Formats: sequence, structure tokens, C-alpha cells
Amino acid sequence: ETGVTQSPTHLIKTRGQQVTLRCSSQSGHNTVSWYQQALGQGPQFIFQYYREEENGRGNFPPRFSGLQFPNYSSELNVNALELDDSALYLCASSPGPFYEQYFGPGTRLTVT
Amino acid sequence: QQQVKQSPQSLIVQKGGISIINCAYENTAFDYFPWYQQFPGKGPALLIAIRPDVSEKKEGRFTISFNKSAKQFSLHIMDSQPGDSATYFCAASEGYGGATNKLIFGTGTLLAVQP
Repeated sequence: ETGVTQSPTHLIKTRGQQVTLRCSSQSGHNTVSWYQQALGQGPQFIFQYYREEENGRGNFPPRFSGLQFPNYSSELNVNALELDDSALYLCASSPGPFYEQYFGPGTRLTVT
Repeated sequence: QQQVKQSPQSLIVQKGGISIINCAYENTAFDYFPWYQQFPGKGPALLIAIRPDVSEKKEGRFTISFNKSAKQFSLHIMDSQPGDSATYFCAASEGYGGATNKLIFGTGTLLAVQP
């Protein structure tokens, strides 16, 4: 059984650009949640996807958007990148919306 | 009301000692309290979790103590080892009572276990 995987591992983008981050959920998991972790802080909830529908959103602007595919993998898209978007982006999968969440290794995004 | 307050910010413990990390919350709708362990450059790993119907849960060297009336919970690491050196996060969520199982994280505790 493979765990949660994320790609790419690291990414450097310029302010104003757009970025897409990818997540493959653990086998048997139909729910994916995305979190942003700034340096030295705890993860902050961005949104959750359950069976391809958004199932809750945190306090992030609309330029943060996502998708979930029929195989339950997911993408996080961020438009008009800002310097403050530099962070570790974490994906967590779970067997359902109200079950334990298991995190992937994250994607380190640097915006210059 | 959505915050989870975690202390201490950092902790140094001798090998074999007990590490204790505390968290407090305000939202009485929280009903799921996990602890995560994070090593540098890695994602958080689920360590142990508790629901409010029990006051204590133990898994190996890790124990969660939960005080519902005080709205506090803590992680105890017995016989701490240098390999336990990591950042520990407490978290909370509303579970079935909320619209989504979003985790609200504490600010983290950097634990260093000295040999």
C-alpha cells in the first residue's frame, strides 16, 4: 500500500505566475485536504475535496483553487503568485471526510 | 475561538526522560484531537489521536491526556529518545459536528532529546 505522494518536491516561481501542485491519495482514500505551512508555523487548512466536490474551504482567496479526479488524486492551483505564498504545501488523504488524515511529504514553493 | 494554543514553543529533554507538550482550545464543538510528528523536510506523521469520550489514550511510549472540562489536552512521551527529536503539533477538528473535518493546528513544539 503506497502512501500519499506529492509532486514536484520543490518549485521556484516568480511573483504573478501560476502554479499547479499535484497529490496522489493513499489507496482506498476518497478525500483529499490541502494545507499551507509557512516556515515555523503549523499547517493552515486551504480546502478539502470529497468524491470530486469541494467539501469545505479555509480562509484563502479565490486564486487558490483545486480539483479532484475520479481516481481521487488532486491538484492545487494558485494564480497570481505573491511572495507570501512561499510555503510548504501539504496534501492529506483520508478514507472519508471525518477520518484520520495522512499527510504527504509536501511541495516546497518559493516565490521570488 | 478556532485557535489551538500549544506550549512550550521548544523543549529540551535528556534521554530517558519524559517530554510533555500541552494544548488548549476554546471551541467546545471540537471532538477529535490528533498529534502529529514532523521531521525537517517531511510532512507531518499522525502519531496518536483521542476523542473526548476518554480521558487518556496510550500507544507505546506516547500517551494523550484529555481534560474536557478544562479544554486541555497533552502529549506525554515516556523514555524519550534522540530519535524523537522533531516538531510536534497538536490539532483539533469538529469531526461530524462540522461541515468538514478541517484540522486546526497548534503552533508546534520543537523537541530536542539530548543523548
